[in-house]
Amino acid sequence: QITLKESGPTLLRPTQTLTLTCTFSGFSLTTSGLGVGWIRQPPGKALEWLGLIYWDDDKRYSPSLKSRLTITKDTSRNQVVLTMTNVDPEDTATYYCAHGAGGANWFEPWGQGTLVTVSA
Amino acid sequence: DIQMTQSPSSLSASVGDRVSITCRASHTVSNYVNWYQQKPGKAPKLLIYVESNLQSGVPSRFSGSGSGTLYTLTITDLRPEDFATYYCQQTYNSPYSFGQGTKLEIK
Repeated sequence: QITLKESGPTLLRPTQTLTLTCTFSGFSLTTSGLGVGWIRQPPGKALEWLGLIYWDDDKRYSPSLKSRLTITKDTSRNQVVLTMTNVDPEDTATYYCAHGAGGANWFEPWGQGTLVTVSA
Repeated sequence: DIQMTQSPSSLSASVGDRVSITCRASHTVSNYVNWYQQKPGKAPKLLIYVESNLQSGVPSRFSGSGSGTLYTLTITDLRPEDFATYYCQQTYNSPYSFGQGTKLEIK
């Protein structure tokens, strides 16, 4: 059974750096064809794709956030870390990580999500 | 970037109805379209991957179709548990964009 869980701060001040950890079980990110994606959802709004890290350490980022995002993996600890610099109240959202299968062409399951609020 | 335009944004239907939700991509996405269901306060759940492949455990009343830039999720024989918000996603080109969602409500 594959599970993922996001962890990190719930409240940040503007300009701070957000660091979220996705801890997973049931698969290894050394397995060819797999990935872990990050997606966020502002309250009451649609899903927004942030980025993805593949088993071979290749990465993809949303162009609109690329300058602020970094995704890394620690395969020994079964963790993927999302770092977002210089946060703003518009970054307030529930952040999800998700298991990417089929060459990371579809995402299932997802973590439960973690709500991050950015406020002065 | 590829934009996914989903319609309608909301839809009212009754138990037992058949409904369809459409996503139009701004460029061809070669069938790399996924469909997710999200219930309030919960993470999205994958229903259909790569245009028409039914995710394991998902009821067969859900189906996907399409080609080129136009894709459709169809739900037949609506059940009470199907009332939720649905999202399409393209994974043909990064960034793997989502549609704006369709909220399916009980009439």
